[in-house]
Amino acid sequence: DGGITQSPKYLFRKEGQNVTLSCEQNLNHDAMYWYRQDPGQGLRLIYYSQIVNDFQKGDIAEGYSVSREKKESFPLTVTSAQKNPTAFYLCASSMTGLSNQPQHFGDGTRLSIL
Amino acid sequence: AQTVTQSQPEMSVQEAETVTLSCTYDTSESDYYLFWYKQPPSRQMILVIRQEAYKQQNATENRFSVNFQKAAKSFSLKISDSQLGDAAMYFCAYVRSNFGNEKLTFGTGTRLTIIP
Repeated sequence: DGGITQSPKYLFRKEGQNVTLSCEQNLNHDAMYWYRQDPGQGLRLIYYSQIVNDFQKGDIAEGYSVSREKKESFPLTVTSAQKNPTAFYLCASSMTGLSNQPQHFGDGTRLSIL
Repeated sequence: AQTVTQSQPEMSVQEAETVTLSCTYDTSESDYYLFWYKQPPSRQMILVIRQEAYKQQNATENRFSVNFQKAAKSFSLKISDSQLGDAAMYFCAYVRSNFGNEKLTFGTGTRLTIIP
């Protein structure tokens, strides 16, 4: 079945450590997105990519980094510069970056601080 | 900047009854898209329904329908014949029509509880 796979489901980070969240899609979608979800808040966009080897910052990019070396993969690294990383992270993709294309979401990764 | 407001943090409804979730948005654009997403306890976001602003007809998907009032900038979701599986967080989202590089703006969500 086509879909978006995020791993791991749960992740723990030590102080000063970088961690990478995986996002893979087999939908042949061009565009991919990373969102952060905190309790009582809607989803906030971290980074997005509309094509391989290109990505743009979203609303809350500080302390995060991404790469898009392959169409199907869009990993997110939470760096030690992100001082409040505890949150639920959702990856999404859409056929193109056009706004009429709905986004399809993965199951998410919950990141916590040890 | 566009904003999306969901003024009901929590709602509950008896099974088989009808419930309406509210959403308002602020924009100066005339062409845009609105979405309702559902997030069940499994946490995966699922698209429920989509509305194009240039269409006057309200979108409908089985038991889900919207009341789109463009002048009032209102986009409510009606769930008919509520079922236990409808229990979830519901997010309203807005994106302006574009040729690329636009992003979804989400509301803060409404938690819907279904009472058996």
